[in-house]
Amino acid sequence: SQTIHQWPATLVQPVGSPLSLECTVEGTSNPNLYWYRQAAGRGLQLLFYSIGIGQISSEVPQNLSASRPQDRQFILSSKKLLLSDSGFYLCAWSVDTSGNTMYFGEGSWLTVV
Amino acid sequence: AQSVTQLGSHVSVSEGALVLLRCNYSSSVPPYLFWYVQYPNQGLQLLLKYTSAATLVKGINGFEAEFKKSETSFHLTKPSAHMSDAAEYFCAVSRPGYSTLTFGKGTMLLVSP
Repeated sequence: SQTIHQWPATLVQPVGSPLSLECTVEGTSNPNLYWYRQAAGRGLQLLFYSIGIGQISSEVPQNLSASRPQDRQFILSSKKLLLSDSGFYLCAWSVDTSGNTMYFGEGSWLTVV
Repeated sequence: AQSVTQLGSHVSVSEGALVLLRCNYSSSVPPYLFWYVQYPNQGLQLLLKYTSAATLVKGINGFEAEFKKSETSFHLTKPSAHMSDAAEYFCAVSRPGYSTLTFGKGTMLLVSP
């Protein structure tokens, strides 16, 4: 069966520090991968998605970047965090067919102080 | 462009009462529609989805939703609420040929004894 792992689960970072959130998927090949951010009362905002290694689409220009160094690995990064980067970050995967279910990781809480 | 509107950021029901969570969509093409549930500090779990088959869709935990094209709606219902249904519910839309989802802002369901 397929599983998705996301870490760290919680982190507190000072303003201006770097960020790296990692997500890996097991049990499937060539998945579509996604990073969403969830802020209270604002739903889920799609940040990045990837249809293959090295192929990243950015939905919202901001202080974050994403990379896909391996087929089932998706990394969310920042060189210098801002207070506004605080939130709940969710990684997800789906097969490359529209209408298919998107499966989510457990999420990572980021607090920038 | 596609969008989803969820009416009511919070819905309160008594245990045993009918649950009705409203979702209206906007799409230039026939959409695919989804309902996800999120328990505190967790990722999202698929409840049900509509992908142009039967308009009445049954999901997990006794939930169902009906696709009404004339009303551009996909409301989520459950005949009898349980305490364990207390969570946040998200409606989402995608379009054929695309795997990304656009989410509504979510509705928090509160269930009282």
